[in-house]
Amino acid sequence: DQQVKQNSPSLSVQEGRISILNCDYTNSMFDYFLWYKKYPAEGPTFLISISSIKDKNEDGRFTVFLNKSAKHLSLHIVPSQPGDSAVYFCAAYSGGGADGLTFGKGTHLIIQP
Amino acid sequence: NAGVTQTPKFQVLKTGQSMTLQCAQDMNHNSMYWYRQDPGMGLRLIYYSASEGTTDKGEVPNGYNVSRLNKREFSLRLESAAPSQTSVYFCASTLRGGRTDTQYFGPGTRLTVL
Repeated sequence: DQQVKQNSPSLSVQEGRISILNCDYTNSMFDYFLWYKKYPAEGPTFLISISSIKDKNEDGRFTVFLNKSAKHLSLHIVPSQPGDSAVYFCAAYSGGGADGLTFGKGTHLIIQP
Repeated sequence: NAGVTQTPKFQVLKTGQSMTLQCAQDMNHNSMYWYRQDPGMGLRLIYYSASEGTTDKGEVPNGYNVSRLNKREFSLRLESAAPSQTSVYFCASTLRGGRTDTQYFGPGTRLTVL
């Protein structure tokens, strides 16, 4: 039973355009959400996070939106750059968080020139 | 600062063999984690250690054991490897283990069990 779902295995976007990556969750106990970026043969690196008490968090070109009622979050990248080509994982914490993250399956973002 | 380091980077085992994956962090973090990633899947938590001296099971602990050797090191042991344990293993650490803490990941160990 997947609690964090990323339904698009891949996404292709032109350089300079907006990339929108989506994530849905089923566990209402999740109260903190993170996006990680992963290049091949490397570990995931933290990108941006959002607490359930907020509906938006922005960091440079990256913005995460949270819709609690729909149990949906999205990551917007504007403008998309070639270095953004990677796999993006949505992840969530519940409770205290010391017991680790629950990850989605990831979305492979491809930025085309 | 090396961050989170993992050894080895690659390993091939035969069914039934044992091995230990090593993880170390130099960030003075309290909490450490082991995840596995299978093709087309997200990372799944195997075991975690909220602080030195404690370990707990995650989502997929069967077939694994862990040791929190000291604050820096957290090892994962496969006592009798099985083909189903073919995966990429990631170690991670956070300062306090709280949900607002960023988890920092190592580069991974790619394990193949024949």
